[in-house]
Amino acid sequence: NAGVTQTPKFQVLKTGQSMTLQCAQDMNHNSMYWYRQDPGMGLRLIYYSASEGTTDKGEVPNGYNVSRLNKREFSLRLESAAPSQTSVYFCASSEAPLASTDTQYFGPGTRLTVL
Amino acid sequence: KQEVTQIPAALSVPEGENLVLNCSFTDSAIYNLQWFRQDPGKGLTSLLLIQSSQREQTSGRLNASLDKSSGRSTLYIAASQPGDSATYLCAVDNTGNQFYFGTGTSLTVIP
Repeated sequence: NAGVTQTPKFQVLKTGQSMTLQCAQDMNHNSMYWYRQDPGMGLRLIYYSASEGTTDKGEVPNGYNVSRLNKREFSLRLESAAPSQTSVYFCASSEAPLASTDTQYFGPGTRLTVL
Repeated sequence: KQEVTQIPAALSVPEGENLVLNCSFTDSAIYNLQWFRQDPGKGLTSLLLIQSSQREQTSGRLNASLDKSSGRSTLYIAASQPGDSATYLCAVDNTGNQFYFGTGTSLTVIP
């Protein structure tokens, strides 16, 4: 039981390049989330998927797209990377949407630098 | 928009001391509040979740309280150990689909 896994662990991009961050969970959770963590800002929600086939914007969605490929996988795509997107990206999952009693389980993070 | 503040930003205590971490939030209409732990270079681990109808939750040496009316939560750690050294994050859900996180308190327990 690996929990929530993220790939890659580290990535360096040049401005304008694109990339996809991958996330998978093996806990049969319905809801999945993408956050970014910046110094002095705390974690901020980028997008979430309350259930397979649905996605919704969070607090900071601009510059990102997501795909809920199936119940296990939720990917985050940067179409044209900008230095402001340098951050640590975390994927999380929970059995049910946030208004329930369920906690979130987090992956180890992807450290992205955009030059 | 919900604003979550954690004070102090950093705390250093000798081993064995009891300590309190603070979290305050601006919108008291919340669904729940969670405390997380984050070790350097790692993801977050949930410690305690308090639903809006609850006043406190306990797990081992940890006790979290919630006072919605004043917009405050505290995390009490008893008999601190060096292994408790980490950053502790508070997160509040007041929309039903989005957590708002504080910036955390970095705790160092000195042996």
